[in-house]
Amino acid sequence: GNSVTQMEGPVTLSEEAFLTINCTYTATGYPSLFWYVQYPGEGLQLLLKATKADDKGSNKGFEATYRKETTSFHLEKGSVQVSDSAVYFCALNTGGFKTIFGAGTRLFVKA
Amino acid sequence: NAGVTQTPKFQVLKTGQSMTLQCAQDMNHEYMSWYRQDPGMGLRLIHYSVGAGITDQGEVPNGYNVSRSTTEDFPLRLLSAAPSQTSVYFCASNPGTSGRGSYEQYFGPGTRLTVT
Repeated sequence: GNSVTQMEGPVTLSEEAFLTINCTYTATGYPSLFWYVQYPGEGLQLLLKATKADDKGSNKGFEATYRKETTSFHLEKGSVQVSDSAVYFCALNTGGFKTIFGAGTRLFVKA
Repeated sequence: NAGVTQTPKFQVLKTGQSMTLQCAQDMNHEYMSWYRQDPGMGLRLIHYSVGAGITDQGEVPNGYNVSRSTTEDFPLRLLSAAPSQTSVYFCASNPGTSGRGSYEQYFGPGTRLTVT
């Protein structure tokens, strides 16, 4: 079946450090891939997405590239801020009602 | 647009009580879903709907009922609350096939439920 695996957290970084959160997936067909972010006390919101192989999604300084050959969609940011502290979820959708989410990775950024 | 709204934000129930969590969206989305979020377990799908009058079970449906009489509303009913249902509940919608093509989810702010 379809699944998403992302690195366990928490990840703790100092401000201005480089961030990578790994995400790999298993899916039949050609899924769309997403990163969602959840700030404390809030619901999830879409951070970025990619709908086909080699697409790069980007938003708010975050980037992720859809790599079909390695079935990966790693999230990166060159310089994190305290305000980036949140839980990040990798997800996929194969074109129907159901989105498959990873377990989430909590990020703490220290000033 | 208000997006996806949920009420209440917080609720405390005693074991055996019933209640309804409300969810509404004003984006005319086909698909709506209910998830629960528990520490270390990510999001688990409870029930979903692919359109008015059509609902189905997700991964963890026991103890919950849903209905979808209109496109906008998708209430979740707890029939007889148990401590194991203590969780944060999120409603989500996505436009499905109605144009966007990428099936991104739009989430409500959540309901924090405690069952004692």
